[in-house]
Amino acid sequence: DVVLTQTPVSLLISLGGQASISCRSSQSLVHSNGNTYLHWYLQKPGQSPQLLIYQVSNRFSGIPDRFSGSGSGTDFTLKISRVEPEDLGVYYCLQRTHNPPTFGGGTKLELK
Amino acid sequence: QVQLKESGPGLVQPSRTLSLTCTVSGFSLTSYGVSWVRQPPGKGLEWIAAIWSGGSTDYNSALKSRLSISRDTSKSQVLLKMNSLQTEDTAMYFCARFRGSWAFDYWGQGVMVTVSS
Repeated sequence: DVVLTQTPVSLLISLGGQASISCRSSQSLVHSNGNTYLHWYLQKPGQSPQLLIYQVSNRFSGIPDRFSGSGSGTDFTLKISRVEPEDLGVYYCLQRTHNPPTFGGGTKLELK
Repeated sequence: QVQLKESGPGLVQPSRTLSLTCTVSGFSLTSYGVSWVRQPPGKGLEWIAAIWSGGSTDYNSALKSRLSISRDTSKSQVLLKMNSLQTEDTAMYFCARFRGSWAFDYWGQGVMVTVSS
């Protein structure tokens, strides 16, 4: 199975600051069709995960442009600029290039 | 609008069988697949099983011998059965929609399952 390693495990950020989360894969996430199926989620306390970014860099419906995704191959990054209180929670990456789907271990974003 | 809602027993005794239902609305199970994902208390997310829009199924290899996923398209429901439950199966169980290799874009609110005697 593909292993996704997220770093850091936790992140202390001031309101208005910028956060950067890394997701590294044990193998390339480029599908045979040329697409890369690496997605990002935020799970707020007591809620189900919500989709932020799909296929590396595409914001899902209603997601503000403060969230951006980048990367290729095995290295991917989620950046959150101008952090707001509603951005707090645990961030996960998910790959669906290879079966079975696998999630990263999560990165907890907290206020400094 | 797209909605998914999980339902299940809440408390199950060890060694018994768990049956969960995901009832969907706002889309067709013949156009989208549904996956089950679980999350033990305080831990991360684990994919369990999927049923594709064409009806084919996939399972987490570590759990495959204990799992069965099926659907009733007339009721817009996806059913998950897991047998021989252990305390380690205590978790929040979510269902989520997908199409092809795309993201799980909509999720249910989850149902908490506790395995205890």
